[in-house]
Amino acid sequence: DTEVTQTPKHLVMGMTNKKSLKCEQHMGHRAMYWYKQKAKKPPELMFVYSYEKLSINESVPSRFSPECPNSSLLNLHLHALQPEDSALYLCASVPERGAYNEQFFGPGTRLTVL
Amino acid sequence: AQSVTQLDSQVPVFEEAPVELRCNYSSSVSVYLFWYVQYPNQGLQLLLKYLSGSTLVKGINGFEAEFNKSQTSFHLRKPSVHISDTAEYFCAVSVSMDSSYKLIFGSGTRLLVRP
Repeated sequence: DTEVTQTPKHLVMGMTNKKSLKCEQHMGHRAMYWYKQKAKKPPELMFVYSYEKLSINESVPSRFSPECPNSSLLNLHLHALQPEDSALYLCASVPERGAYNEQFFGPGTRLTVL
Repeated sequence: AQSVTQLDSQVPVFEEAPVELRCNYSSSVSVYLFWYVQYPNQGLQLLLKYLSGSTLVKGINGFEAEFNKSQTSFHLRKPSVHISDTAEYFCAVSVSMDSSYKLIFGSGTRLLVRP
């Protein structure tokens, strides 16, 4: 099973709100990723967790805070976001078994910051 | 640094016609290449991948791609497209970084299939 689920599907938040995005998979954990995708653009890498440890942070502002509580879950905590942070946020996972660089993507969370 | 170029931002084609979406990558010792498709308001779905072995790779939905090392290309082809193939297509190369791998994406090609 290579399914990756993301909740919520849609999120609208104000600039003073605190919210979290959730990503879950049951493939075992080799690596998990957060991407940000603006309209008509390719995904931009934000964070990489490798074996549950943060291994890559692509100079993302501190208003985005990732967390990997266990081998199945990946969260992205949001605080004091700006309207330009509105985008599709995608989670991806590399299963414990299989090609070590083959990423499976979730459906994404569509975030709107007012 | 590795990079991926998708020269065509949009490719219009009539239903049942063949299509080729072009992808070129910057050269490296080891190359791992992927094609992903993204339907409107959805995540990315893996179409096919080249990791090693045969240079002709077959994927889902009747797509195939050929890895050409001398031309540093990985073009995606389908002999007969359907309306349902209308979507955004991304070519990507996997690069090693610290203890992980990251995908470098091309800018994407929108395939527009017309009846």
